[in-house]
Amino acid sequence: DAGVIQSPRHEVTEMGQEVTLRCKPISGHNSLFWYRQTMMRGLELLIYFNNNVPIDDSGMPEDRFSAKMPNASFSTLKIQPSEPRDSAVYFCASTLHGYEQYFGPGTRLTVT
Amino acid sequence: DAKTTQPTSMDCAEGRAANLPCNHSTISGNEYVYWYRQIHSQGPQYIIHGLKNNETNEMASLIITEDRKSSTLILPHATLRDTAVYYCIVRVSGGYQKVTFGTGTKLQVIP
Repeated sequence: DAGVIQSPRHEVTEMGQEVTLRCKPISGHNSLFWYRQTMMRGLELLIYFNNNVPIDDSGMPEDRFSAKMPNASFSTLKIQPSEPRDSAVYFCASTLHGYEQYFGPGTRLTVT
Repeated sequence: DAKTTQPTSMDCAEGRAANLPCNHSTISGNEYVYWYRQIHSQGPQYIIHGLKNNETNEMASLIITEDRKSSTLILPHATLRDTAVYYCIVRVSGGYQKVTFGTGTKLQVIP
């Protein structure tokens, strides 16, 4: 298996622009998680889905952030409009039985 | 999820065993102990988990005290590639339970 796939790996954008991060979970996994990591705040859970349904989005920082999972093999995290403080590494992870989570390589977002 | 306490950093000589401690004195009976690590610029990687018995896999061993209030992750023969931040997490297992990461222990393996 190719593991969790994230795209793009790096994104540089200007403040105010829309940013869309993409994730393909491991085939057969039924839960998907979006995390954000910064030096100041560490690794934070933003939202997670089970069977394509959002279960807990309490970690989403504000309404500028939204996430969707239209099917079992694809999820997006959108930021609109983006701000410099959104600069971070965004990770996607998936799991089947809820034991170990498998993380993708991350997307490094820089908002100037 | 129960709170965990880990040392901020540790050093270990290459080839020696690395013993990483974790305190979780408020752990509940149905909470498991999980360990993940994050090598620089990579996503976190699952290592091992356990409930009350000691566990071993190809990567590491997990020793949980009888009262379950603390545990130790053991890397039997540390290599330079084991340099990473190690996270100890306690949570209810299964289903779609989220994982809350703390600050972890920065392990530096020294040649």
